[in-house]
Amino acid sequence: QVQLVESGGGVVQPGRSLRLSCAASGFTFSNSGMYWVRQVPGKGLEWVGFISDDGSRIYYADSVRGRFTISRDNYKNTLNVQMNSLRGEDTAVYYCAKDLSSAWAFEYWGQGTLVTVSS
Amino acid sequence: QSALTQPASVSGSPGQSIAISCTGTSRDVGGDNHVSWYQQHPGKAPKLTIYEVSHRPSGVSNRFSGSKSGNTASLTISGLQAEDEADYYCSSYTSSDTWVFGTGTKVTVL
Repeated sequence: QVQLVESGGGVVQPGRSLRLSCAASGFTFSNSGMYWVRQVPGKGLEWVGFISDDGSRIYYADSVRGRFTISRDNYKNTLNVQMNSLRGEDTAVYYCAKDLSSAWAFEYWGQGTLVTVSS
Repeated sequence: QSALTQPASVSGSPGQSIAISCTGTSRDVGGDNHVSWYQQHPGKAPKLTIYEVSHRPSGVSNRFSGSKSGNTASLTISGLQAEDEADYYCSSYTSSDTWVFGTGTKVTVL
């Protein structure tokens, strides 16, 4: 069965950096696009970014472009997001999700990891 | 990247049908058929419920159906059950190679 397990969340000061990872299993990772989505506790979902199966296409939301970098390691079946210059408004649960091929939908989700940006 | 517009809340009695709307623009919802819907129970990750406007993933009840007209998509839940009480979000791929979610709708089963 598909499993996505995020890690790396925690408390970080404004302006600092944090790197999240998502370990994937149960499907052919190298054949699947992947997403990051975040959710402020008690609020709605916000798309953060997308990376294609081979990493050749990467798209970002305006709110994180230039500060966040999405990458993947198809040998380790791992998705990453490097988050720099963090702000209070980046505080959220971060989910990784698997793309439903050609449907541009979020087929499977991890359980999420909480990032809190606070001094 | 403005969020798609959904009603904040919708309610219905067990057995009834309810519909949730999701309004966007010609650059997202109205642009193609890449509209999807997600169910999220408290404290849980979202779950794909409908993709490509009206397709149900394996394992999703046929009480859930989707449609679209112009820039507005809709999710209908028929034969409402207590377990359907959750938050629902629509999402659309956009012409700018981005994705946008709806504002979310809380469904209450009376």
